[in-house]
Amino acid sequence: EAGVVQSPRYKIIEKKQPVAFWCNPISGHNTLYWYLQNLGQGPELLIRYENEEAVDDSQLPKDRFSAERLKGVDSTLKIQPAELGDSAVYLCASSQRQGLEAFFGQGTRLTVV
Amino acid sequence: KQEVTQIPAALSVPEGENLVLNCSFTDSAIYNLQWFRQDPGKGLTSLLLIQSSQREQTSGRLNASLDKSSGRSTLYIAASQPGDSATYLCAVPNYGQNFVFGPGTRLSVLP
Repeated sequence: EAGVVQSPRYKIIEKKQPVAFWCNPISGHNTLYWYLQNLGQGPELLIRYENEEAVDDSQLPKDRFSAERLKGVDSTLKIQPAELGDSAVYLCASSQRQGLEAFFGQGTRLTVV
Repeated sequence: KQEVTQIPAALSVPEGENLVLNCSFTDSAIYNLQWFRQDPGKGLTSLLLIQSSQREQTSGRLNASLDKSSGRSTLYIAASQPGDSATYLCAVPNYGQNFVFGPGTRLSVLP
């Protein structure tokens, strides 16, 4: 069974440019999470989906970040415009339902220059 | 608000040693706790999930224990190997909330 798949693995962009990340969760997992991880720290939640509904986006900087999970499967996370401080690793995770064992993708390392 | 801490922040041991990593959380109203491993530049790999009704869970050389009342979990690694070198993170989900992670323990096992 395939795990959580994220793309791209790495992205370098200039500040003020847009960027998008894609995540394909494990088949049958209703819950999808996007986390942000800064160097030397644990991941912090950006948004959680239950199927296609964003049930917790309280930590998502909505002025520049947006996310969608059409049809309750794949998800995209977008930043527009990117700032230098957005440089981090963006992790996607899924679980069968909220709070159960979570499985993470390899992450996307974003560098904003 | 749930807060998770991990001690020590970093650990360096010679190969073959048994070691213990500690995780503490402030809100004991949890229904499980998950330990992850993260290699440099990689995502998180799930190691063990302990349900709140369990006191411990074992997988190979790894043993994780959970004491909800004291807000603590430990990850025991037996006979450490250089391949165990990584960052170990614990995460706690609460009812109606999401996984809250500790900052991790960076482990180096020297050959």
